[in-house]
Amino acid sequence: QKEVEQNSGPLSVPEGAIASLNCTYSDRGSQSFFWYRQYSGKSPELIMFIYSNGDKEDGRFTAQLNKASQYVSLLIRDSQPSDSATYLCAVLGGQAGTALIFGKGTTLSVSS
Amino acid sequence: GAGVSQTPSNKVTEKGKYVELRCDPISGHTALYWYRQSLGQGPEFLIYFQGTGAADDSGLPNDRFFAVRPEGSVSTLKIQRTERGDSAVYLCASSSRGGHYNEQFFGPGTRLTVL
Repeated sequence: QKEVEQNSGPLSVPEGAIASLNCTYSDRGSQSFFWYRQYSGKSPELIMFIYSNGDKEDGRFTAQLNKASQYVSLLIRDSQPSDSATYLCAVLGGQAGTALIFGKGTTLSVSS
Repeated sequence: GAGVSQTPSNKVTEKGKYVELRCDPISGHTALYWYRQSLGQGPEFLIYFQGTGAADDSGLPNDRFFAVRPEGSVSTLKIQRTERGDSAVYLCASSSRGGHYNEQFFGPGTRLTVL
């Protein structure tokens, strides 16, 4: 059974700072990793995906993957109050290998 | 274009009743997923359809839960003899690809409350 672990937080950062969100996974064979953002009372919104070791940048967001350490992270540069949300890390799993297996999420609070 | 839609947005029912939840995926998306999310938890996978067939139903918790996708588009999740523990937000997601590199897009969810 694949597992995804995240620190539930809350992680509090001041506006303009870098927020670093971390995730570890149990299955060394996992290939695909996703970060979703979920505002309170809303559904998850895909913000990043990463399949290869290293960094992937998209605007203020950078996903980092280290398969040897079974670790994936999300960096948010120049954090804004509008980034305050729960960030969900997910890997693919299930019998068909296509279901998202989520962590419990990390709550981020950006103060102005 | 339109995203994933789900109806109803809220459903309140009594213990023991039958409910149906509907999902309309993004047009052209062949892969459709159902998840449910309890408070403070990440979404939990229930079932995956590729086209009309259920390719993976390993997440369905018991035989009270059933889902169909008869024409390969709209899907219905059916819950019989509802229990209070079934209360959660039921999320539907769709993807244009069902393989290992698929990005899934979620609908707004249906909040189910079993009294």
